[in-house]
Amino acid sequence: SQKIEQNSEALNIQEGKTATLTCNYTNYSPAYLQWYRQDPGRGPVFLLLIRENEKEKRKERLKVTFDTTLKQSLFHITASQPADSATYLCALRNAGNMLTFGGGTRLMVKP
Amino acid sequence: DTGVSQDPRHKITKRGQNVTFRCDPISEHNRLYWYRQTLGQGPEFLTYFQNEAQLEKSRLLSNRFSAERPKGSFSTLEIQRTEQGDSAMYLCASSSWTGTYYEQYFGPGTRLTVT
Repeated sequence: SQKIEQNSEALNIQEGKTATLTCNYTNYSPAYLQWYRQDPGRGPVFLLLIRENEKEKRKERLKVTFDTTLKQSLFHITASQPADSATYLCALRNAGNMLTFGGGTRLMVKP
Repeated sequence: DTGVSQDPRHKITKRGQNVTFRCDPISEHNRLYWYRQTLGQGPEFLTYFQNEAQLEKSRLLSNRFSAERPKGSFSTLEIQRTEQGDSAMYLCASSSWTGTYYEQYFGPGTRLTVT
């Protein structure tokens, strides 16, 4: 069956460090992968999309990599700030053009 | 505010009651989606509409759930004979075509508690 796995344990890092979150998937051949941010009590907010033929995508302090051989995406936040504390979700588009989300990883950036 | 709105934000109901939620998408978006999210999990797809047509339904959507989008604008999600397992956050999203993919914008969600 298709699975998307994100580390369910919270990631705690110090302000100014780089946060790296992992998304692994099985039994998918996604055309693209998306990353979302979700704050408590709110809906997810789209951050970045990376296509299967792209290795890396950047947006300001965010960087996403996509390795279709390893079936893995890494999401990096450089120079992290306490305001970056949130849950980060990865999502894949399935054959039916719908998004399937991972369980999310909670990031805590300490000042 | 021109984002996706949902009403109510919170709903507490007793088991066996029916509930209805409303979603107002971003006005120019022709696609509308419903998701369910439980604590500590990512959103799970329930169903989506393109204009007024319901094009796909997840097998999670039991026959107690029904969604409509009668005029291709707002949508409603009804749950009949609620069960405690229906307690969750119900998220609505709408999307626009960016030229290469559909970017989804989520509303704040309706949190349902079934007692």
